[in-house]
Amino acid sequence: GAGVSQSPRYKVAKRGQDVALRCDPISGHVSLFWYQQALGQGPEFLTYFQNEAQLDKSGLPSDRFFAERPEGSVSTLKIQRTQQEDSAVYLCASSRGMNTEAFFGQGTRLTVV
Amino acid sequence: GIQVEQSPPDLILQEGANSTLRCNFSDSVNNLQWFHQNPWGQLINLFYIPSGTKQNGRLSATTVATERYSLLYISSSQTTDSGVYFCAASSGSRLTFGEGTQLTVNP
Repeated sequence: GAGVSQSPRYKVAKRGQDVALRCDPISGHVSLFWYQQALGQGPEFLTYFQNEAQLDKSGLPSDRFFAERPEGSVSTLKIQRTQQEDSAVYLCASSRGMNTEAFFGQGTRLTVV
Repeated sequence: GIQVEQSPPDLILQEGANSTLRCNFSDSVNNLQWFHQNPWGQLINLFYIPSGTKQNGRLSATTVATERYSLLYISSSQTTDSGVYFCAASSGSRLTFGEGTQLTVNP
C-alpha cells in the first residue's frame, strides 16, 4: 500500500478485556516495529520483526503483551487483560531493512476504562 | 542503549521567524531521523540523515556524527509548522526517540 495502515484508529476497552491492534506495513518492507506513546512523551520501542521473525521483544512491558507477524507482512499486537496503564497510542512502523528510513502509521489510540 | 536528548523542550515563535532545534545522542548511529508529529498524532518524516546535510524547502538538517548531534533548521516559519518535532536515532535495529520539541508558531 501507499503507507503504513493501522486499525482501528480508536479503541475503548473495559479493564480486563483483550484487544488486538492491526498493522499493515508498506508492501515489501522487511522490518516492522511497534511503539507505545504515552501522552506528552516520545514513542517507546516495544518490539521488532524482520520478516516473520520477532528479533527483539525487549520493550514489551509485560507478558500480557504479545505480537505476531506470521506471514512476514501484516502484524498484530495483542494485549490481554487490559489495565488502565495500557492507555496510550500504539504506533507501527515499517522499513525496507535494518538501518533504513522508517515510516509510521497513524497509530491506534487505546483507552482503557 | 542509546540516549537521545532534544532541546529546547518548548519554543514559541512569531510567523516568519527562523529556529534551530538540536538533538544530541550518546553513541555512534547508523540511522537518524527527524519527524513532525501533527495535531492528529501522525509522525511525518522530515529527514533521514545519519550524517551530512539535507534541505527540503524551508527545512534543512545537519548531522555531525563524529560529535554526536543533529540540528533541524526551520526558516520563515508558518503557523502550520506548529506541533512536536522528534529526533530518533539508532545504533542497532530500533529507533530511540527524544522527548521532542513543542513548537508553537503564532500568526
